[in-house]
Amino acid sequence: AQSVAQPEDQVNVAEGNPLTVKCTYSVSGNPYLFWYVQYPNRGLQFLLKYITGDNLVKGSYGFEAEFNKSQTSFHLKKPSALVSDSALYFCAVRDMGGSYIPTFGRGTSLIVHP
Amino acid sequence: GAVVSQHPSRVICKSGTSVKIECRSLDFQATTMFWYRQFPKQSLMLMATSNEGSKATYEQGVEKDKFLINHASLTLSTLTVTSAHPEDSSFYICSAIKTGDTGELFFGEGSRLTVL
Repeated sequence: AQSVAQPEDQVNVAEGNPLTVKCTYSVSGNPYLFWYVQYPNRGLQFLLKYITGDNLVKGSYGFEAEFNKSQTSFHLKKPSALVSDSALYFCAVRDMGGSYIPTFGRGTSLIVHP
Repeated sequence: GAVVSQHPSRVICKSGTSVKIECRSLDFQATTMFWYRQFPKQSLMLMATSNEGSKATYEQGVEKDKFLINHASLTLSTLTVTSAHPEDSSFYICSAIKTGDTGELFFGEGSRLTVL
């Protein structure tokens, strides 16, 4: 079985400050991990993924995420938030040896204040 | 990249009519496509997995006779909401996996269905 948790419904941060959106996961084997962003009334856009290799993954729009196997986490980060980063962020996981259907978290609304 | 086109982006229909939503992978082949439903300020609800050339696999609680899915080619899947009712109003999103890829999904832009 695979599952993913995004413990925060909403994250508020001031523009220019660093941001973190949290994600933890559970899989039986090794994980494939993904982050997506959704702007209002739009589909989801792929930000980044972890498959194997370096634990720090860099993605689109200056975002990065760190894979931490011991803590089963894959938190999304950005050093300096922009107002335009305000959106809904989804973490997803797929068990490498299991189902090809990823499981999505419930989403975290990121609000960046000017 | 990989582009998934979804059409129409918005549709308004009368109760009792049927609505078809198309999902196309424009620059890759997709043996598998997924259909999601999203309620306001909520996460994605997987409705069904659509496999090219075979019947769709529906998630528990999703009425297969109401939400007809057809995946006739490697680049096209359609969702038909039959005899739509106001409670079917929602945001429907399709996605596709690139054949042979590591599993990230590529999403369409979504279709906002409003049933009057």
